Amino acid sequence: AQKITQTQPGMFVQEKEAVTLDCTYDTSDPSYGLFWYKQPSSGEMIFLIYQGSYDQQNATEGRYSLNFQKARKSANLVISASQLGDSAMYFCAMRELRGGATNKLIFGTGTLLAVQP
Amino acid sequence: EPEVTQTPSHQVTQMGQEVILRCVPISNHLYFYWYRQILGQKVEFLVSFYNNEISEKSEIFDDQFSVERPDGSNFTLKIRSTKLEDSAMYFCASAAALYGYTFGSGTRLTVV
Repeated sequence: AQKITQTQPGMFVQEKEAVTLDCTYDTSDPSYGLFWYKQPSSGEMIFLIYQGSYDQQNATEGRYSLNFQKARKSANLVISASQLGDSAMYFCAMRELRGGATNKLIFGTGTLLAVQP
Repeated sequence: EPEVTQTPSHQVTQMGQEVILRCVPISNHLYFYWYRQILGQKVEFLVSFYNNEISEKSEIFDDQFSVERPDGSNFTLKIRSTKLEDSAMYFCASAAALYGYTFGSGTRLTVV
């Protein structure tokens, strides 16, 4: 069965420092996608970054990058130059891309990031 | 940028009452989903909808739940007789075939 594991319930980082949020996954499917979402205290789910299993390069979106290590089944999120507004819950999620009409997301339990001034 | 729109943003209902949560997915998306997040917990899949029918549902999605796409634009989640444990944030999402998985801003349901 598919599974996403986020082992860090909470993290602290100093403003302007980089931080890595860990995510490991388990799937037997060769085709999958990995997502990171940010959930601020207001509750909405904000898409940050996506990595496909066949992508040759690690995904980057502004200050966000995904350290994708396929053999280790890890997809860690790196936030560079942390800002106070980065304080939020961060969820890693996986979507299998096999043929079919579901392609649901499986979420991890999240990491609560606190950026300190 | 296209958005998934959910209404209402917050709903309070009495136990045993029916509620309908509404969503307007992105217009060219084909896959539609409802997820639930109980306060402080992870996001859980409820149901997926494709080609005007349910394609998969979770154990949570029992007979008290139903979904509809009544007019080709709206996508609704109905809970027939709410229970206290249905209190949660409910997210609608829509997706293109491989990319563009987008969540709405959620409806916070409080059952009292």
